Amino acid sequence: GAVVSQHPSWVICKSGTSVKIECRSLDFQATTMFWYRQFPKQSLMLMATSNEGSKATYEQGVEKDKFLINHASLTLSTLTVTSAHPEDSSFYICSARVPGLNTEAFFGQGTRLTVV
Amino acid sequence: AQRVTQPEKLLSVFKGAPVELKCNYSYSGSPELFWYVQYSRQRLQLLLRHISRESIKGFTADLNKGETSFHLKKPFAQEEDSAMYYCAPPSWGKLQFGAGTQVVVTP
Repeated sequence: GAVVSQHPSWVICKSGTSVKIECRSLDFQATTMFWYRQFPKQSLMLMATSNEGSKATYEQGVEKDKFLINHASLTLSTLTVTSAHPEDSSFYICSARVPGLNTEAFFGQGTRLTVV
Repeated sequence: AQRVTQPEKLLSVFKGAPVELKCNYSYSGSPELFWYVQYSRQRLQLLLRHISRESIKGFTADLNKGETSFHLKKPFAQEEDSAMYYCAPPSWGKLQFGAGTQVVVTP
């Protein structure tokens, strides 16, 4: 069945460095992927919609220069947290819908980012 | 803005008791809504979708156009139902969730 794979599952980085998170759709092509941030015991907050071959659409309040999204192929979207700071520490999740009408979304396992 | 809302952040029920998670929507017509579930330390996964009308793990949800609701129900809660539940919008829109509802089933 369809699977969305995220890598890495966890990462620790120093303040000021950049971190790239990959989201891959396995066994299906995803023209659209979504990136979320989740704080402990809270809902998923949509950060941006990643569109293959075009610019991502960011939600209000999300800095596009800080959270760079690239969706270069139909199976891969990447989120780069640039110049990371401790407040960027969070759980990041991606998802992708199977193309078609009324289709479900599949979610990655998430990436725990800790900025020290 | 078109969206789904879940008014309850936390539901605590006893094992064997009925449970109902509320979801209201602001879409017109008969939107094809979804329910997703996130068990502890697991990724989100589909629980059920409106269009299939299936009962998954004993849960059902009916679209009520008069009340613009898509409440999730289960007649007898089990401990393994403890999880975070999310009502989700139609697949043609961006996948933006509401607050979600944490369900805690106590023995």
